[in-house]
Formats: sequence, structure tokens, C-alpha cells
Amino acid sequence: QVQLQESGPGLVKPSQTLSLTCTVSGGSISSGGYYWSWIRQHPGKGLEWIGYIYYSGSTYYNPSLKSRVTISVDTSKNQFSLKLSSVTAADTAVYYCASRAVTTGYFDYWGQGTLVTVSS
Amino acid sequence: DIQMTQSPSTLSASVGDRVTITCRASQSISSWLAWYQQKPGKAPKLLIYKASSLESGVPSRFSGSGSGTEFTLTISSLQPDDFATYYCQQAWTFGQGTKVEIK
Repeated sequence: QVQLQESGPGLVKPSQTLSLTCTVSGGSISSGGYYWSWIRQHPGKGLEWIGYIYYSGSTYYNPSLKSRVTISVDTSKNQFSLKLSSVTAADTAVYYCASRAVTTGYFDYWGQGTLVTVSS
Repeated sequence: DIQMTQSPSTLSASVGDRVTITCRASQSISSWLAWYQQKPGKAPKLLIYKASSLESGVPSRFSGSGSGTEFTLTISSLQPDDFATYYCQQAWTFGQGTKVEIK
């Protein structure tokens, strides 16, 4: 059973860079076959996909966030990471990491989510 | 980009009711649609994939149907554990969600 766990600061100052890491257990990122994604949820709102990375390092980002997002992978640690630059209060949200098999189209494994608040 | 529109946004129902939630795609997506249930403070949970396939472990009172641009999630007999928010998803896009409340 694949498990994902987000980690990172819960408070980020405006204009700084939000950084989160997702640690994968029970499966190997480097085995391929999955898009490793970040999804966020503003308080009381719906789900917004941020972007994904494949084990090879190829990425695809939500066009609305593309200019500020970087997703990277460290296969040696079985982790992938999110960086979101120039944050504002509008980036306050619960951030989830999730996996989506290349062939299926749905997100089958999710982390528990971590709340990131942008405030001075 | 394909847009996903769910209706209604909120639904009030009683235990035992049959509940239907609709998701419409802005263009045909064949059967590439999934449904999730989310409870407060929890990550979404996959219920249905490929429009009508029930995820392992999900109660059989949940069912999905549709293809092309119109899809439905049906709960045949609403249980207390089913009061939650439901999302449809296609590719990298989620619907805006349907909150199922106690009537």
C-alpha cells in the first residue's frame, strides 16, 4: 500500500517561497507509471491541481500557477517537492500530494494534507 | 481546457434517500471521469473511476454512470457516513464540489 506524507513549514511570509516535500513509502517513484502531483484546497473551497512530476523529471504545471511553481524529484530519497514563489495570502491553503497512474486518469493515493498559512 | 461543472452545489437529504449528483464536461471525455468523497479535515477518497467502476472497498450503494459529457453519481440509500462533499475529476480538473447535508 502506497502512502504519501507531506512535510514543510506551516507558516510562510508574504513574498517568500513556499516549500513542501512529499515522502512516498510502500512504492518507488523511480519505478515509473505514476504522475506525482500537488493539489491544493483553499479554506472552504474546492480542489485545485498545481502540477505533477514524472520519475524522469518531466513536469506539467497548471497554467494559472506555472510562472511561480517548481516541482522536483529526488528518487534516491523517494521524495518529490513543491516550491511556490512570491506567495500572498491567496496561497493560504491545505496542500496535498497525490499520485495518479499514467494509464488510469484518477488519483488513487493521497497524503493527509498540510495547511500552509501565508502571513507576516 | 475542459471545464467540469457539478450540480447542485449543495444538496439537503435524509438518511435513506436516493441522491444523484451530476457532472458535466465542456466537451466529450469518453468515460475518463472519477468521483471522490471528502470529509472535513480529510483528503479526498476515490469512490468511482472510469465513470462507473467502483473502487475496492467502497459500498455498493455508490454507483456512477454516464459517458461523453454527462455523468452522475448516485447514492441509492443515503447513510449517516455519507454526509460529505463530493467531487468529480477529469484529467487535471476537478468539479467545484457538491456538499451533501442533513435535511
